[in-house]
Amino acid sequence: EVQLVESGGGLVQPGGSLRLSCSASGFTFSSYVMHWVRQAPGKGLEYVSAISADGGSTYYADSLKGRFTISRDNSKNTLYLQMSSLRVEDTAVYYCVKVDAVAGVFDYWGRGTLVTVSS
Amino acid sequence: DIVMTQSPDSLAVSLGERATINCRSSQSVLYRSNNKNYLAWYQQKPGQPPKVLIYWASTRESGVPDRFSGSGSGTDFTLTISSLQAEDVAVYYCQQYYSSWTFGQGTKVEIK
Repeated sequence: EVQLVESGGGLVQPGGSLRLSCSASGFTFSSYVMHWVRQAPGKGLEYVSAISADGGSTYYADSLKGRFTISRDNSKNTLYLQMSSLRVEDTAVYYCVKVDAVAGVFDYWGRGTLVTVSS
Repeated sequence: DIVMTQSPDSLAVSLGERATINCRSSQSVLYRSNNKNYLAWYQQKPGQPPKVLIYWASTRESGVPDRFSGSGSGTDFTLTISSLQAEDVAVYYCQQYYSSWTFGQGTKVEIK
């Protein structure tokens, strides 16, 4: 059974940093593109970032470039999102997402981890 | 970036009636080499992560009830729930994955 478990969320002050982790199991993690998607409280889904299966290629939503860094450790089956210069508007639930290799859709989502940026 | 616009923002439908949600992309998401539209629909119930319902605009994900169907091509797409059930109360999102990835703003479906 595919499982994606996010961790690392919490309360951080504006301008601070946080690293999210996503522990993956139930599939061959090193074979799949992985993504982060976020959702502000009461709002819609916002795309964040993607990383290729081998970690060699990354993509970021334009609004986040330069502040967030996605990475992965295939030996640990873990996806990361390093967030810096955090703003109040970064407050959201951050979801770790696996992509279906054939269809390209987001077929498995973690339950998310809440990041709150507040003073 | 491709902008996805859904309509309406919310709708209330009686149990057993049809619900229709529209999604428009700012440019075509049809990949002509394989004739596939890179458009998906997701359902999100309160307190849960999203779940994929439809991909390639009209292919139902395994296990999704056949009352859910997707149609459209190019820039205009529709998600139809043929006979609304109580468990279908949720927010529905369209997503393009033709050029990077973007979501529509969501459509909230409620019982009338």
